[in-house]
Amino acid sequence: DGGITQSPKYLFRKEGQNVTLSCEQNLNHDAMYWYRQDPGQGLRLIYYSQIVNDFQKGDIAEGYSVSREKKESFPLTVTSAQKNPTAFYLCASRWGGYTEAFFGQGTRLTVV
Amino acid sequence: QQPVQSPQAVILREGEDAVINCSSSKALYSVHWYRQKHGEAPVFLMILLKGGEQKGHEKISASFNEKKQQSSLYLTASQLSYSGTYFCGTETGGYQKVTFGIGTKLQVIP
Repeated sequence: DGGITQSPKYLFRKEGQNVTLSCEQNLNHDAMYWYRQDPGQGLRLIYYSQIVNDFQKGDIAEGYSVSREKKESFPLTVTSAQKNPTAFYLCASRWGGYTEAFFGQGTRLTVV
Repeated sequence: QQPVQSPQAVILREGEDAVINCSSSKALYSVHWYRQKHGEAPVFLMILLKGGEQKGHEKISASFNEKKQQSSLYLTASQLSYSGTYFCGTETGGYQKVTFGIGTKLQVIP
């Protein structure tokens, strides 16, 4: 079955450590996205990528980094520079402009 | 910049209707609507494109006013399954950037 997979579902890290969230899709989509969800703030865009080896900052990119070395994969690294990393992270993909996005099941990151 | 959604929350009794609004400060190329149940991934409802027509899906439909840079989602004869948080997402130019609002929490009660 085609879809978009995020792993793990729950992740715990100590403050000051970098952590990488995985996002893989087998839908042959060109565009991929990372959103952060906090209560009362909706979905905020962190980074997005239109094609392999290219990505753009979203609205809250500080403290995050991404790579897009393969079409299927768009991992997100939450660095120690992110001041408040505890949140629900959603990855999405789609064919391109003006098409629907498919979301993964999300990763809930807790930093203690 | 996030689109502005209103209302932020609404409670309906089964069978009642609701309207959720989404507005942008920038010219809109497309508007997406999604519904999210607690702890789950958002699920696509519909997309409206610039120059396109009003869309509908069973008892859920939406409109897109390009001049006013607004979209509205209409839920008629609501069912318990309609409960969740509704998000509008907007594309305001090139580069395929999709920005979402803070959401509208809708609760349908018996």
